Amino acid sequence: QQQVKQSPQSLIVQKGGISIINCAYENTAFDYFPWYQQFPGKGPALLIAIRPDVSEKKEGRFTISFNKSAKQFSLHIMDSQPGDSATYFCAASAKNNNAGNMLTFGGGTRLMVKP
Amino acid sequence: DVKVTQSSRYLVKRTGEKVFLECVQDMDHENMFWYRQDPGLGLRLIYFSYDVKMKEKGDIPEGYSVSREKKERFSLILESASTNQTSMYLCASSLQGLGYTFGSGTRLTVV
Repeated sequence: QQQVKQSPQSLIVQKGGISIINCAYENTAFDYFPWYQQFPGKGPALLIAIRPDVSEKKEGRFTISFNKSAKQFSLHIMDSQPGDSATYFCAASAKNNNAGNMLTFGGGTRLMVKP
Repeated sequence: DVKVTQSSRYLVKRTGEKVFLECVQDMDHENMFWYRQDPGLGLRLIYFSYDVKMKEKGDIPEGYSVSREKKERFSLILESASTNQTSMYLCASSLQGLGYTFGSGTRLTVV
């Protein structure tokens, strides 16, 4: 039973286009929402993160949009480049008494940007 | 930069074997985690540890155990490997649960 649902599973975008990946959650205790980027043969790496007190966060070409009432958040990649081709995971965390915040991951989106 | 090192990139083991996956981090992080990654299922937490000799079950602990005798090292043990444990295994560490740093993964095939 996935607590964080991610869509689509795969995405093909032309170079220069906008890539959009969506996530939805149920647990209202979640208070931190990061996105991870994973290249083939590597572990996931933190890309960008947001807390629910803001509706948007932008870092370069990457933007997180957050809708608290709908319990949804999304990653937008502007001017997508072939080098952005990777698997993207959304995640959400809530406090664990022993280990601080614990991350729950979405199912992942495989993004391919065509030249 | 924090480095999380997993001892093997690829492993092939036989059904019924006892398998050890090793993970070492070099930044004195309290928390360490073991995930498995399967297509369409994302990253699923097997076990985590928040201190030496302390461990807690994650979402899918069945068939696995862990050991943390030293702060920097967290081992995942498959007591009797089965084919449904063929997967990519990822180790991660963190300070107070935020900003996970992952290793490069171990791709385990059980035949």
